[in-house]
Amino acid sequence: GQQVMQIPQYQHVQEGEDFTTYCNSSTTLSNIQWYKQRPGGHPVFLIQLVKSGEVKKQKRLTFQFGEAKKNSSLHITATQTTDVGTYFCAGYQELGGGSNYKLTFGKGTLLTVNP
Amino acid sequence: SQTIHQWPATLVQPVGSPLSLECTVEGTSNPNLYWYRQAAGRGLQLLFYSVGIGQISSEVPQNLSASRPQDRQFILSSKKLLLSDSGFYLCAWSAGSDTQYFGPGTRLTVL
Repeated sequence: GQQVMQIPQYQHVQEGEDFTTYCNSSTTLSNIQWYKQRPGGHPVFLIQLVKSGEVKKQKRLTFQFGEAKKNSSLHITATQTTDVGTYFCAGYQELGGGSNYKLTFGKGTLLTVNP
Repeated sequence: SQTIHQWPATLVQPVGSPLSLECTVEGTSNPNLYWYRQAAGRGLQLLFYSVGIGQISSEVPQNLSASRPQDRQFILSSKKLLLSDSGFYLCAWSAGSDTQYFGPGTRLTVL
């Protein structure tokens, strides 16, 4: 079955340093989504990437979708303490049919930021 | 706008007791509904999903079950809880294959 691997599991940085988390799928994806979960909270949707090679930015966050649509990355420039949380990627794969699809979450990367 | 509710927010139950967690969605029709479990604050394990009333797909065999008695209501149940059922239970909805929106979750501790 489809697997979505995410690395690293944990990342501790000093405030102001950059941070990157990587996501790799065993199969080609229709799209990839990124979510953020603050400590004690629930996952919140950040962005969706659909096109091969797509790059999207949200302020200090840059999201990339690989050319082969099997990998993705999230890069945060100059981290702040508000960036603390677990970042999940989720790969969407169509299995055929109108509602036959699967969204598989990676295990997430826990980011901690030292002020 | 759409909102998703879960209750209770926290729950402490003895081993062997029954469980019923409820999730309701407002502001949308015929949503896809999901139950996830998150153990130790990390990965999301999909337990059940539903594309319509009475339609439940199970991802992982276990002592839990799900039901969808109404279009915007999703219930997670167990007849007898195990210690391993402890975790953070999240309900989510999506409009077809679109983004998933998560509820606030229920923290379940089985003692």
